[in-house]
Amino acid sequence: KQEVTQIPAALSVPEGENLVLNCSFTDSAIYNLQWFRQDPGKGLTSLLLIQSSQREQTSGRLNASLDKSSGRSTLYIAASQPGDSATYLCAVRPLTSGTYKYIFGTGTRLKVLA
Amino acid sequence: DGGITQSPKYLFRKEGQNVTLSCEQNLNHDAMYWYRQDPGQGLRLIYYSQIVNDFQKGDIAEGYSVSREKKESFPLTVTSAQKNPTAFYLCASSIGREGSAFFGQGTRLTVV
Repeated sequence: KQEVTQIPAALSVPEGENLVLNCSFTDSAIYNLQWFRQDPGKGLTSLLLIQSSQREQTSGRLNASLDKSSGRSTLYIAASQPGDSATYLCAVRPLTSGTYKYIFGTGTRLKVLA
Repeated sequence: DGGITQSPKYLFRKEGQNVTLSCEQNLNHDAMYWYRQDPGQGLRLIYYSQIVNDFQKGDIAEGYSVSREKKESFPLTVTSAQKNPTAFYLCASSIGREGSAFFGQGTRLTVV
């Protein structure tokens, strides 16, 4: 059974720091992996989607990498800002025939201090 | 604007009542999903639908029901059989297995 883990559960950093959020999954048979951001009391905002054949994706100050063989993905945030404070979730889509569902980690709660 | 609309934002349910959460999308996506989020836990899948008039149970379907009569709409009913319904409910859609999932703003359901 696929399980997704995100460590650490919470992270507090000073403004301007570069940081890395980690996501690990137990079964490398995935279709893709997606990173999301969630602000308190809100829905999820899609950040980056990485297909299983890709190694990384970039959007602005965000870079996500995928190492399927080791069951790991990282989200790199450059020059962090207080506005980056949120919970970051990763989710994998298992490579199971006929299934579109995502399996989520429990998230990393990030606080960027001004 | 394209997107997913969930309503209401807040919902209060009395013991023994059924309530229905609305989810509408104008993204022309085939697949739609309902997730439940509880504090300290990841999102858990309740139901999903990959095409109109078809849906599948997720990991925690007991006490919930859905319908998919139109491509744009995927309402979720929380029945009286759901013993602990207080949670944040999120609806999502995707174009298929390869596409990004997009989420609504959620409905917070509270039992009073």
